[in-house]
Amino acid sequence: ETGVTQTPRHLVMGMTNKKSLKCEQHLGHNAMYWYKQSAKKPLELMFVYNFKEQTENNSVPSRFSPECPNSSHLFLHLHTLQPEDSALYLCASSPIADQPQHFGDGTRLSIL
Amino acid sequence: AQTVTQSQPEMSVQEAETVTLSCTYDTSESDYYLFWYKQPPSRQMILVIRQEAYKQQNATENRFSVNFQKAAKSFSLKISDSQLGDAAMYFCAYRSAERASGTYKYIFGTGTRLKVLA
Repeated sequence: ETGVTQTPRHLVMGMTNKKSLKCEQHLGHNAMYWYKQSAKKPLELMFVYNFKEQTENNSVPSRFSPECPNSSHLFLHLHTLQPEDSALYLCASSPIADQPQHFGDGTRLSIL
Repeated sequence: AQTVTQSQPEMSVQEAETVTLSCTYDTSESDYYLFWYKQPPSRQMILVIRQEAYKQQNATENRFSVNFQKAAKSFSLKISDSQLGDAAMYFCAYRSAERASGTYKYIFGTGTRLKVLA
C-alpha cells in the first residue's frame, strides 16, 4: 500500500483517442505532482499542484491537461498524443510542496 | 540551470558487501536539498535518504549513508551489507530551497540500476 494510487496501471491508446489518468491519495497531503519517466532519460516533472492551485507547468504540450478538483485527486487528461509520449507516468504527493514526495506505482502508457 | 548527473547506468554488488552509487550536480544556489530515491520493479518510488546542503554532517539511515561533498558538488550513496531487496533503480534528486512561482523545483538524475548478486 503506497498511499498514492494510480489508475489504470496500463493504458494503450491510439493517437486520436482521449483518455484520462487518475491519481488518488488519502495521506492528507496538499501538494500533488505529475512526472513522466521515459527510458534512459531523467524523471521529468510535468505539473505541480499546491493546495489545488497549479504552481508549475514545465513547458508541457497542451495535449496534456491536468486537473486537480481537490487535494486528494489529480487527473491527467490526454488527447491527440504522439508516439514519443509513450512512457511511465508517475503521480506523487507531499504534505506541502517543500516536503519529500510519496510516489504511486505509475501508469504505463503506450501510444500506437 | 541546475543539473543532476548519475554516471553509472548500472552497478552490481555481492550480497552482504558494500556499494557506492555516485551522483554529481551543478547549481549556483548555496542552499538546497538532495535526495536518493529507490524504485524497485514494483515501480513505486521510495525515499531512501535526504540531505540538507547547510548541514555538514552526512545523513545516515540504517544501512544507507551519504558522502556529501558540497564544494565538489558530489552526493554519493553508500549501501552497506547489501541485501537482495536493495535491487532497484536508484535516483538522485536535487531540490532548490528557493521558491520559484510558488513551488520548489525538483531535478532528477537518469538513475543507476543496482543488481544484488546472491
